[in-house]
Amino acid sequence: DTAVSQTPKYLVTQMGNDKSIKCEQNLGHDTMYWYKQDSKKFLKIMFSYNNKELIINETVPNRFSPKSPDKAHLNLHINSLELGDSAVYFCASSQPSGGSETQYFGPGTRLLVL
Amino acid sequence: QKEVEQDPGPLSVPEGAIVSLNCTYSNSAFQYFMWYRQYSRKGPELLMYTYSSGNKEDGRFTAQVDKSSKYISLFIRDSQPSDSATYLCAMTRDSSASKIIFGSGTRLSIRP
Repeated sequence: DTAVSQTPKYLVTQMGNDKSIKCEQNLGHDTMYWYKQDSKKFLKIMFSYNNKELIINETVPNRFSPKSPDKAHLNLHINSLELGDSAVYFCASSQPSGGSETQYFGPGTRLLVL
Repeated sequence: QKEVEQDPGPLSVPEGAIVSLNCTYSNSAFQYFMWYRQYSRKGPELLMYTYSSGNKEDGRFTAQVDKSSKYISLFIRDSQPSDSATYLCAMTRDSSASKIIFGSGTRLSIRP
């Protein structure tokens, strides 16, 4: 019973290609996120969606375009891949509440651009 | 200067030792503080969650927040090899998870 799942787990591609990463959560959460974790383990938020609406877009190049077909899915499409895009991309979800709001992370997608 | 600073380690201690992990931060508006544990090739998972200053204990883990010094700590008692992981501190201004700022993580290794 995977709570947050991502596909693919590994992605090796050439510079200039276009690729997509898919994310699904079965927790019934309203909010989903994409994070990028670089080689030094620094985890930085890229996008946040609440009920299919974009609420955070953190100075990410236009080549990155998130798409949320429904609140259980948040996909990430990347155009014209560059060497610097190599990283681990994590999807996460959370449910707004009156108290603490816990994020649940997926297993990550390891992207290597050659 | 980064908003959240964390010593990357690696930190290696023998089994049974007490481990102390720390983060400092610069934004006094942060109110909610978290520690995440990330095993190799896995996503981060929430370990501890505290609000404002004070201590919180959960089994072998204790989280401390000192807002006056802008300093947070995670203590692990009776450390086990299964505690070997990267530990990331994180913090945010409000209870919403939407703007969590993460530290860069400390890699911890517990030697049997």
